[in-house]
Amino acid sequence: NAGVTQTPKFQVLKTGQSMTLQCAQDMNHEYMSWYRQDPGMGLRLIHYSVGAGITDQGEVPNGYNVSRSTTEDFPLRLLSAAPSQTSVYFCASSYGGLQNIQYFGAGTRLSVL
Amino acid sequence: GESVGLHLPTLSVQEGDNSIINCAYSNSASDYFIWYKQESGKGPQFIIDIRSNMDKRQGQRVTVLLNKTVKHLSLQIAATQPGDSAVYFCAETVTGTASKLTFGTGTRLQVTL
Repeated sequence: NAGVTQTPKFQVLKTGQSMTLQCAQDMNHEYMSWYRQDPGMGLRLIHYSVGAGITDQGEVPNGYNVSRSTTEDFPLRLLSAAPSQTSVYFCASSYGGLQNIQYFGAGTRLSVL
Repeated sequence: GESVGLHLPTLSVQEGDNSIINCAYSNSASDYFIWYKQESGKGPQFIIDIRSNMDKRQGQRVTVLLNKTVKHLSLQIAATQPGDSAVYFCAETVTGTASKLTFGTGTRLQVTL
């Protein structure tokens, strides 16, 4: 019963490097989202998707790209990493509809030097 | 585990006592609310939810109260246990806005023996 799986768990980047955070879910959920979590703040929505081929911006989308080619996968790309992107990143998925309970992965802790 | 909210408000409760965690939400149009529990090094975990047509909902050892007049939620945990120690977040959303949850900043619950 894997649920939402995120890889890697930890990553250190240099400023300007690019990388992709992976997220996969095996619950056949239509909705998937990426959040970042910073100290003293709640989770903030970066991008989300309501189904394969459909993505949209959340509250803090700048510096990040997403795509959704399959129902299962929703990768988050950092195009040119900046120290301000140092954070813990969480992927979530849900069925959508009236009870939009989101299920979260364990997170990726990213440090940008 | 990672530092989740270095400057979070903290509630200290003795084991066996009841805990009450409060949350003020921001959007008067929000009609669906969720409480999440986050343990150190893990992603948020669903606890309980409530729709705006209700003012109270009970689960196992947990109760959520909703006061729409003052835009306030509370989470009550009965007979608090050491395993309840975590950061608790409320989240709000408007039905039909896909995965767009807005999270509060969180409250750290410390259970003392």
